Amino acid sequence: SAVISQKPSRDICQRGTSLTIQCQVDSQVTMMFWYRQQPGQSLTLIATANQGSEATYESGFVIDKFPISRPNLTFSTLTVSNMSPEDSSIYLCSPRLAETYNEQFFGPGTRLTVL
Amino acid sequence: AQSVTQLGSHVSVSEGALVLLRCNYSSSVPPYLFWYVQYPNQGLQLLLKYTSAATLVKGINGFEAEFKKSETSFHLTKPSAHMSDAAEYFCAVSDRVSGGYQKVTFGTGTKLQVIP
Repeated sequence: SAVISQKPSRDICQRGTSLTIQCQVDSQVTMMFWYRQQPGQSLTLIATANQGSEATYESGFVIDKFPISRPNLTFSTLTVSNMSPEDSSIYLCSPRLAETYNEQFFGPGTRLTVL
Repeated sequence: AQSVTQLGSHVSVSEGALVLLRCNYSSSVPPYLFWYVQYPNQGLQLLLKYTSAATLVKGINGFEAEFKKSETSFHLTKPSAHMSDAAEYFCAVSDRVSGGYQKVTFGTGTKLQVIP
């Protein structure tokens, strides 16, 4: 298991601004996944990030809109850029740990509302 | 790509009754399968997982699921529902993609309502 924290837990932002979401894990992470959960819907994978390499984005998501950083093995950030109301969602980081290759853990999520 | 289908977006059961949440997967090879639970305004918590060992998997909070290859199913059950089980449940499957890592794909979720 792992302790995963996300900051901020929630935020209300204005259209056109950007928000950076932080994810901190207390164990070494092999891969970091970032998901979006829009209201009333399931989870959609945004991108996968290996430490030391460029993130891989899923169809419909681009780096300019959702830049990701992984400066070390326990920390990652996702930025939601130039926000619009359609970006209102819960954003979750999901680390895969070195010792639990087949299991994926989830952070508590960041609830974003864009006005 | 592998996928999962959850039958029934909403399920209602009486307290004390059997809980059955259905999940079917599509895969050419036995996948890894998971059930996650999401309580209101909280993150996802792993209930149980199947990783090609025993086909009957026991999880937390009295839940269990059985992997049936012939039916490509991984239904979640609990003999007796408790009010605290009211939540949304997600079935998920891992997908082996290029690069050697496994991407997890989620079903659309089933909201469980427990009626007193």
